[in-house]
Amino acid sequence: AQKVTQAQTEISVVEKEDVTLDCVYETRDTTYYLFWYKQPPSGELVFLIRRNSFDEQNEISGRYSWNFQKSTSSFNFTITASQVVDSAVYFCALSEALHGSGNTGKLIFGQGTTLQVKP
Amino acid sequence: GAGVSQSPSNKVTEKGKDVELRCDPISGHTALYWYRQSLGQGLEFLIYFQGNSAPDKSGLPSDRFSAERTGGSVSTLTIQRTQQEDSAVYLCASSIGGLTDTQYFGPGTRLTVL
Repeated sequence: AQKVTQAQTEISVVEKEDVTLDCVYETRDTTYYLFWYKQPPSGELVFLIRRNSFDEQNEISGRYSWNFQKSTSSFNFTITASQVVDSAVYFCALSEALHGSGNTGKLIFGQGTTLQVKP
Repeated sequence: GAGVSQSPSNKVTEKGKDVELRCDPISGHTALYWYRQSLGQGLEFLIYFQGNSAPDKSGLPSDRFSAERTGGSVSTLTIQRTQQEDSAVYLCASSIGGLTDTQYFGPGTRLTVL
């Protein structure tokens, strides 16, 4: 069964602190994609990153970095030097991508982590 | 018009009425997805379109829910005889081809059933 677990429901930090959002997934497929989306108070889901199951290299984009570890089925997201504008709900998602297996690319989302960054 | 657009942004209706929600995907995107976001259930997949056909309707919660897509572009999600449990934000997403491509989301339609 496919499942995404974001165990942290809410996190509160003070501006400039580093914060890591955890994501653990379960899938039967060997070919899959992992995503992070940000949902600010305005409500629109904003794409942050996509990672395929064959690429375990960590990625850094500005203050954002992602740590993908297949051995622990985790895809964690770290914000360095957090800012108030980072306050949002963050969703981790999984899609199974093996062709010919009836997969359609639909996203399986975690429950989301609400991040509050206080000034 | 670079992004996915949805209308209306808010819809308030009475129990038992039918509603139609509209999604305009990014131009050239062949894949279109509908999701629902509610407090109790989080973000759930509803239906997937590739072109005008819907090969995956597995997420539709009941036969009161239906959707169509015309011209490989605009999609309409219809909920008949709305119930209070249908209250949620309905999100539409599109991607270039589907299976391995990134989905870009619209702003959603907030549906409230009184």
